[in-house]
Amino acid sequence: NAGVTQTPKFQVLKTGQSMTLQCAQDMNHEYMSWYRQDPGMGLRLIHYSVGAGITDQGEVPNGYNVSRSTTEDFPLRLLSAAPSQTSVYFCASSYSGAGDGTDTQYFGPGTRLTVL
Amino acid sequence: RKEVEQDPGPFNVPEGATVAFNCTYSNSASQSFFWYRQDCRKEPKLLMSVYSSGNEDGRFTAQLNRASQYISLLIRDSKLSDSATYLCVVNKGGTASKLTFGTGTRLQVTL
Repeated sequence: NAGVTQTPKFQVLKTGQSMTLQCAQDMNHEYMSWYRQDPGMGLRLIHYSVGAGITDQGEVPNGYNVSRSTTEDFPLRLLSAAPSQTSVYFCASSYSGAGDGTDTQYFGPGTRLTVL
Repeated sequence: RKEVEQDPGPFNVPEGATVAFNCTYSNSASQSFFWYRQDCRKEPKLLMSVYSSGNEDGRFTAQLNRASQYISLLIRDSKLSDSATYLCVVNKGGTASKLTFGTGTRLQVTL
């Protein structure tokens, strides 16, 4: 199993540009999520999905869109990039979103995004 | 006040030392607790879950004190390979979307 994969690994955008960060998992996990990690702030949840066709907002959703058309893929779209979106983005998946302590989060390797 | 607070460190310890990290959380309704490990410029990975009775995995021991809203991680006989950032993670609700991550404590083990 490849686990959770993310592309690209690095990206530089200009303010106002749009792009899609790709995330895929091959573990047949129902729950997928996107986090951003900034210095001194910990990982913060952007959007999540409990299954194909179902998405919801996390703590910091503004400026981002997601969709979940298949179990495997969960792309994150930046609509109009801003310097405040410079961050490291992690996609994660788990067998369930039950939150009962058994839903270990498996993270992808991350995408380092810089917005100029 | 942050929902999950950790001493950022760094903790610099010699190989073979015992080191302890602490974490406090603010939401008394929090239901499950974890320690994740994150190597430099890598993704977080689950180290261990934390149970009320305390639990041990080899050289690692985790403790939970619900009354004081306090979680700890003890590493015995530190190895160079233990050098990483340790994230305290708390689930304050009934779903994985309620996971709250601490900012992490950095450990550097030296010869």
